[in-house]
Order: sequence, then C-alpha cells, then structure tokens
Amino acid sequence: GAVVSQHPSWVICKSGTSVKIECRSLDFQATTMFWYRQFPKQSLMLMATSNEGSKATYEQGVEKDKFLINHASLTLSTLTVTSAHPEDSSFYICSARDGRTELGTQYFGPGTRLLVL
Amino acid sequence: DAKTTQPPSMDCAEGRAANLPCNHSTISGNEYVYWYRQIHSQGPQYIIHGLKNNETNEMASLIITEDRKSSTLILPHATLRDTAVYYCIGRSGNEKLTFGTGTRLTIIP
Repeated sequence: GAVVSQHPSWVICKSGTSVKIECRSLDFQATTMFWYRQFPKQSLMLMATSNEGSKATYEQGVEKDKFLINHASLTLSTLTVTSAHPEDSSFYICSARDGRTELGTQYFGPGTRLLVL
Repeated sequence: DAKTTQPPSMDCAEGRAANLPCNHSTISGNEYVYWYRQIHSQGPQYIIHGLKNNETNEMASLIITEDRKSSTLILPHATLRDTAVYYCIGRSGNEKLTFGTGTRLTIIP
C-alpha cells in the first residue's frame, strides 16, 4: 500500500495564532514530501517541496517565514502556519514521494481544512 | 513539465465506460503521463501512469497514442463513486506534480 495521513483533518483557530499540520507516510519512506494549498473551486497549488534533513524549497510567492516546514524523518513532515489570518483559511494537502520506486509516485494525504476566525 | 489540456466537464451514465481525454502535445520523451482524481473535499488519489505503452490496473486503463500527444483514461464501468475531478499531468523523472484545472466527471444514475 501507499498511505499518507494528515493530522488534524480540520482546525479552527483565532487570528494571530499558529497552527501545525502533520503529514505522515504510513507504510513507506518518503525522502521528499510536498505541501499544497487549495482554495474553493480552484486547483491545487504547490507551496513547497520538503526534503528529509534539509531546508524546504518554496514556490514563488509563498512566504517561508509564514509557512514553516520541517521534515525531520523519512515518514514525517510538518507545516506550521504562523500568525494565521483569515486569508490563510484553505484546504492544505500534503503528498509523499514513494521512495521504494525509482519513479517515486506521489501519494496524497486526505487534507486539512483550516479556518481562521 | 508538459502542459496538458482537458475538457472542463463530462457526464457519463452509471455502468458505462467513462473515457476522459487529455492532450499533451508538448510532452517530452522522458515525461510520463499521470492521472489523479480528487473526490470532493478529499486529497487527490493516484490512478495510473504510463510512458508509451497502454497500461491497466484495478482502477482504470490508460491509452496513449503512438505519437504520445494525447491519452485517454478509461473507467470501464463507472459508478456514482467515480464522480470527481480528474487530473492529467505530465511529469519527468521524479519531479513535482503541477495540477491544471482537470475534468469534472459526473456519473449520472
């Protein structure tokens, strides 16, 4: 199998607080994980690429100081939304690249819905 | 990665085969064609991928034209649970995935 989990599945927070989202590959090791954001009725937008043991690579326009990414192990990456504001409300989805194959098919988590009040 | 073009929406009767087209005329020789789908409010689900040859798995079949400029994803017996947005993506090696707008497939009872 190739299962990716995310926690929490949804979170509501007050403006100005920080929120941490976890992404885990349950049955495979993932040297690379990706974080996406999806607004209503839009497609997925890649935010950053996270490699185990190194700094994340952020896409243009994504603030690295606001969206902190840590990839401490081959099965866990975390995204922290710092000082969240209502415009950060979105559906956050992670994916993990399957390290068992050369192609490294990406498998996605179920997503985390964030609502900032 | 190759730019892909898909129809924005399609309907298919339940029990029939759903054929979803994708144009990728600028695909390079080492780019694979990947298909994912996203059911409402869930993360994308991997379906299938191929390079040159047609591929089949338990979920679907992928037919790639000989010139590799287009492909078709076939869901052989569509069910209501197949209603989703389907994404066709060109990807070389183990590069990142870039999602377009996809095709919204609606299965009609």
